[in-house]
Amino acid sequence: EVQLVQSGAEVKKPGESLRMSCKGHGYNFTNYWINWVRQMPGKGLEWMGSIDPSDSYTSYRPSFQGHVTISADKFLNTAYLQWSSLKVSDTAIYYCARRMQGTKWFDSWGQGTLVTVSS
Amino acid sequence: QSALTQPRSVSGSPGQSITISCTGTSSDIGGYNYVSWYQQHPGKAPKFIIYDVTKRPSGVPDRFSGSKSGNTASLTISGLQAEDEADYHCCSYRGFYSAWVFGGGTKVTVL
Repeated sequence: EVQLVQSGAEVKKPGESLRMSCKGHGYNFTNYWINWVRQMPGKGLEWMGSIDPSDSYTSYRPSFQGHVTISADKFLNTAYLQWSSLKVSDTAIYYCARRMQGTKWFDSWGQGTLVTVSS
Repeated sequence: QSALTQPRSVSGSPGQSITISCTGTSSDIGGYNYVSWYQQHPGKAPKFIIYDVTKRPSGVPDRFSGSKSGNTASLTISGLQAEDEADYHCCSYRGFYSAWVFGGGTKVTVL
């Protein structure tokens, strides 16, 4: 069974760093891009960026470029999303979702990681 | 404000049909046949139910259908059932840097 399993909820203070993970199970991890999607409280979904685990090539939405870093370890079948300095406005649920090379949809999603940033 | 515009809510009685619109621009919905739709129950992860505008993945009931006209895509749920009560998000490819844009989501209520 295909599964994307994300790390647990986090509570952080502004200025702190954070790295969350997304581990793929049940498929060839390097055949699918991993995407990160933000859902702020009560809002819609927002694509942040993606990574090709086969070569770690990344693509970012311009509004997230420089604020987050997406990485992957193909040997651990795991992708990461990290911040070096969190803001209160980063409070949201973050989902990872996979996309097969050559397709334009997200066919499997992680369960989401809730990040709360508060002083 | 989301890049694609959806109604905040749509409601219908069991057995009825409802349609959710999703309006974009010629840079996204109008420019590509890469619209997808996702169903999200409260507290759950999104699940994809339509891809490439009109196609249904295996396991998705055929009461879900997608279409597109110009810059507007639509999701129709025919024969509405109680378990269809959820949020529905549209998504379109937009090209290299913006890549994917979503709508703000539509809450479907089964009366």
